[in-house]
Amino acid sequence: QKEVEQDPGPLSVPEGAIVSLNCTYSNSAFQYFMWYRQYSRKGPELLMYTYSSGNKEDGRFTAQVDKSSKYISLFIRDSQPSDSATYLCAMSAREYGNKLVFGAGTILRVKS
Amino acid sequence: EPEVTQTPSHQVTQMGQEVILRCVPISNHLYFYWYRQILGQKVEFLVSFYNNEISEKSEIFDDQFSVERPDGSNFTLKIRSTKLEDSAMYFCASSELGQGYEQYFGPGTRLTVT
Repeated sequence: QKEVEQDPGPLSVPEGAIVSLNCTYSNSAFQYFMWYRQYSRKGPELLMYTYSSGNKEDGRFTAQVDKSSKYISLFIRDSQPSDSATYLCAMSAREYGNKLVFGAGTILRVKS
Repeated sequence: EPEVTQTPSHQVTQMGQEVILRCVPISNHLYFYWYRQILGQKVEFLVSFYNNEISEKSEIFDDQFSVERPDGSNFTLKIRSTKLEDSAMYFCASSELGQGYEQYFGPGTRLTVT
């Protein structure tokens, strides 16, 4: 079983739709959960992070963590063509230091 | 807004040659990292560095790799004798002390080994 699993997509949605991106993981030691956005041939850009379980909102983005199910989500409201990118989930555990473990990324395409 | 910078953006080298990839982390950050991403694959952790020492390293980071902070601003990754399978995007990242969950990445160096 892979440590972090993420559906590679692509996920195609019309402009204005609500997008749901998800990751599952196997290691219960993970405590911090991050979402990065990566445009083609660019570096990952940190969108938001969450500690342990719960929700966090930042503008059009909401991150959710359910540690009991080992499942995390990123919701994008009112999606825009400029949101078209690859979305990477990443996780870390104190016992592994600051090492981030990434999912494979989901390609999102928002059509105007 | 402060950002991580990397040079060069693209490096082409022949198998067996040494390469040095350079990074300038965000100025008040004290933790530095290298990750790599082989085309079409996941971003993978290579090494973290704090207080002039390696903090953690992955199995990928073998004796062919080394890191250095040669001065107060640069952070480098050296690959001693490049192999074809070293071809990848190499990303530098940095974070504040105690905030390893908030890592900021540079734009990457695309390394092509021929």
